[in-house]
Amino acid sequence: DAMVIQNPRYQVTQFGKPVTLSCSQTLNHNVMYWYQQKSSQAPKLLFHYYDKDFNNEADTPDNFQSRRPNTSFCFLDIRSPGLGDAAMYLCATSRDRSGSPYEQYFGPGTRLTVT
Amino acid sequence: AQRVTQPEKLLSVFKGAPVELKCNYSYSGSPELFWYVQYSRQRLQLLLRHISRESIKGFTADLNKGETSFHLKKPFAQEEDSAMYYCALLQKLVFGTGTRLLVSP
Repeated sequence: DAMVIQNPRYQVTQFGKPVTLSCSQTLNHNVMYWYQQKSSQAPKLLFHYYDKDFNNEADTPDNFQSRRPNTSFCFLDIRSPGLGDAAMYLCATSRDRSGSPYEQYFGPGTRLTVT
Repeated sequence: AQRVTQPEKLLSVFKGAPVELKCNYSYSGSPELFWYVQYSRQRLQLLLRHISRESIKGFTADLNKGETSFHLKKPFAQEEDSAMYYCALLQKLVFGTGTRLLVSP
């Protein structure tokens, strides 16, 4: 009964070679988030979609982009991965982003290695 | 700036001992704070939220606006509590760096 699914769980890419990470959800939630988590660091929000409305964090590098073709799917595209982009990438969903309370449901993450 | 601080990277206790995982926040408005837990090889999941004032798996957390804290407490730790714990500020979706709790038999 997985609710937030991330594929692949492990991804190896070469320096500078575009890579796409995938997230899907069965919860029919309005909001989908992408976080980057480096070793021993806090998950850092990159961006989120509220329905089709894209919200980028101010300090998210241009190298990172996202697509949400429908309610269920959201993709993270890294145009030219650098060694510093190696991290765990977490996808999360929530029913809403305002009002209280709401909780985020996380996927298992995709661990990206850049060689 | 909005910030969540978890000063301890690792907290190691014996089974049956009390546990307190510290969380301090910086936020100008009225904060909404969550605790998330990540057990080994599992995904991040919500443990509890301050607004519901609930006790989950024996854990409680009280918001102290005067001290800007939201510490997580449990009177008697169990081995199955061993996990990574993250404090998070809802409004800005900011997470702390996490505290690894290790409960030894």
